Amino acid sequence: QVQLQQSGPGLVKPSQTLSLTCVISGDSVSRDGTAWNWIRQSPSRGLEWLGRTYSSSNSKWRTDYAESVKSRVIINSDSSKNQFSLQLTSVTPGDTSVYYCARGLRPFYMDVWGKGTTVTVSS
Amino acid sequence: QSVLTQPPSVSAAPGQMVTISCSGGSTNIGNNYVSWYQQFPGTAPKLLISANDKRPSGIPDRFSGSKSGTSATLGITGLQTGDEADYYCGAWDSGLSAGLFGGGTKVTVL
Repeated sequence: QVQLQQSGPGLVKPSQTLSLTCVISGDSVSRDGTAWNWIRQSPSRGLEWLGRTYSSSNSKWRTDYAESVKSRVIINSDSSKNQFSLQLTSVTPGDTSVYYCARGLRPFYMDVWGKGTTVTVSS
Repeated sequence: QSVLTQPPSVSAAPGQMVTISCSGGSTNIGNNYVSWYQQFPGTAPKLLISANDKRPSGIPDRFSGSKSGTSATLGITGLQTGDEADYYCGAWDSGLSAGLFGGGTKVTVL
């Protein structure tokens, strides 16, 4: 049974960097055919896909990002710890949301989700 | 404002059927698969339908998905009070190289 355990601070100051980690159990971050996604949700934005990382056929890591955050976001993976992470720089109160990590499978759907982390951006 | 458009709410009596539409374009629904998610307050979304019409193990056959052109539909038959939740469609957009979700539809059982 695949599970995703999220961790990270619930409060981030404006202009700082939001950092969250998602630890995978029951699957491998490097497994071909899977992509590891970050999604956020707020009353004003609804569900918003932020980006994903995945290992391609030649073992090179690739990422895709939403246009809305592309200049501020980095999604990384750590095979040694079987986890992936989200960094969102220069945050504003508009980034206040519940953040989810999720496993993505082809063609494109998320079948396993983390429980969510509420992140508030405030001084 | 989401690229994938859903009605804000639908409602029906217990036992009845509801359908939720998800309208997109040629770069997303028109040329890619659609998925559907159910979400209860305070919990993470749960996959209901993958790849347009595929139900994951454990999802009742009261839930069905279909796609035609640039629109998709989620159907719920034999509506139960436990089906009151928010429902979201999702799809990949080949033009944006990004994932998309609809704005969500709240299902109310009258």
